[in-house]
Amino acid sequence: GAGVSQSPSNKVTEKGKDVELRCDPISGHTALYWYRQRLGQGLEFLIYFQGNSAPDKSGLPSDRFSAERTGESVSTLTIQRTQQEDSAVYLCASRAMGNSPLHFGNGTRLTVT
Amino acid sequence: AQSVSQHNHHVILSEAASLELGCNYSYGGTVNLFWYVQYPGQHLQLLLKYFSGDPLVKGIKGFEAEFIKSKFSFNLRKPSVQWSDTAEYFCAVNAPTGFQKLVFGTGTRLLVSP
Repeated sequence: GAGVSQSPSNKVTEKGKDVELRCDPISGHTALYWYRQRLGQGLEFLIYFQGNSAPDKSGLPSDRFSAERTGESVSTLTIQRTQQEDSAVYLCASRAMGNSPLHFGNGTRLTVT
Repeated sequence: AQSVSQHNHHVILSEAASLELGCNYSYGGTVNLFWYVQYPGQHLQLLLKYFSGDPLVKGIKGFEAEFIKSKFSFNLRKPSVQWSDTAEYFCAVNAPTGFQKLVFGTGTRLLVSP
């Protein structure tokens, strides 16, 4: 595809439910990032995958959050037992090796009611 | 740990005014620096980047940024803004080696009135 694809684009869920967000990076991009953007705030780093290395999970806010990536393909971000403070836009980005710029998807807007 | 500060959260300018958005980072080593822009309803996109060499970098749409190592700064400038520059601007930094976690500032929301 031409860019980073995220699905769904919008998700409304009830408090306490689990949600799964999907990211399809640009083909050939070895690095994949998840960020969270709460209303009126900046981008908050969540997790970073680089090839087959162990991911950098230092930004995950709690153990309710987890992410997986198989090789250099699709990644899923899972939020268990969602809370209202999880409401945000979840952004995925990918980039090729080295210092190439990030390419962002359009994000998934998550609303927890 | 790396951190990025953008002190201007909201900026309102008239068309043709000059723009300067501040960005400071805290990291003692060699860094790569970026400005990203998010236009209303669109995804984040790269505006310009600095890796090495000339500390004054030119980006798209007439934007430029100057890396001042002694001040740990990478301010974004444009001599004359247009209404179409209305957007949110994010400064970001990462170390060029090791885990390349890109750390973003909180963003500056720019509104240009016609």
